[in-house]
Amino acid sequence: EVQLVESGGGLVQPGASLKLSCVASGFTFSDYWMSWVRQTPGKTMEWIGDIKYDGSYTNYAPSLKNRFTISRDNAKSTLYLQMSNVRSEDTATYYCTRSYFDYWGQGVMVTVSS
Amino acid sequence: DIVMTQAPLSVSVTPGESASISCRSSKSLLHSNGITYVYWYLQKPGKSPQLLIYRMSNLASGVPDRFSGSGSETDFTLKISRVEAEDVGIYYCGQLLENPNTFGAGTKLELK
Repeated sequence: EVQLVESGGGLVQPGASLKLSCVASGFTFSDYWMSWVRQTPGKTMEWIGDIKYDGSYTNYAPSLKNRFTISRDNAKSTLYLQMSNVRSEDTATYYCTRSYFDYWGQGVMVTVSS
Repeated sequence: DIVMTQAPLSVSVTPGESASISCRSSKSLLHSNGITYVYWYLQKPGKSPQLLIYRMSNLASGVPDRFSGSGSETDFTLKISRVEAEDVGIYYCGQLLENPNTFGAGTKLELK
């Protein structure tokens, strides 16, 4: 059974940094592109970016590429999202997804507030 | 960016009847390889989204055949025949033709 389990969310102050993790199981992690998608409190879905199966290539939403970094550790079957200089508009539920979003994690909430 | 426009934003359906949700893209989603890169997802209340339809008309694993997807290069339809209580939630279309991948605003399906 494919499972994606995110962690690392919480309440963070504007301007701070935060790193989310996603541990994958039930499939060969190193065979798949992986993505991060976020959902705002108003239910809007926004693609953040993705990373090639070997970690050699990443794509980002233009509005986020200067502050967000996606990485992976295939030995640990773990996907990461490093968020820096966070803003109130980054408040959302963050989902780890596989490939063409065929599997989603349970999501982790990030709240940016002072 | 490719804009995905869904309609309606909400729909109320009597159990056992059918429902259709439309999605229009601002650009053709037909790739030169012949594949149309539109996808449909359902987010049930309190749950993560799940894949329903991939590449316009292919049913994802485990999804009931009451769901079907169709369309052209820019206009797409998700049809649910014989709506059941478990179909309640928010339906999203998405395009994976090019980056940034984008989603529609969502259509909320409720039961009458």
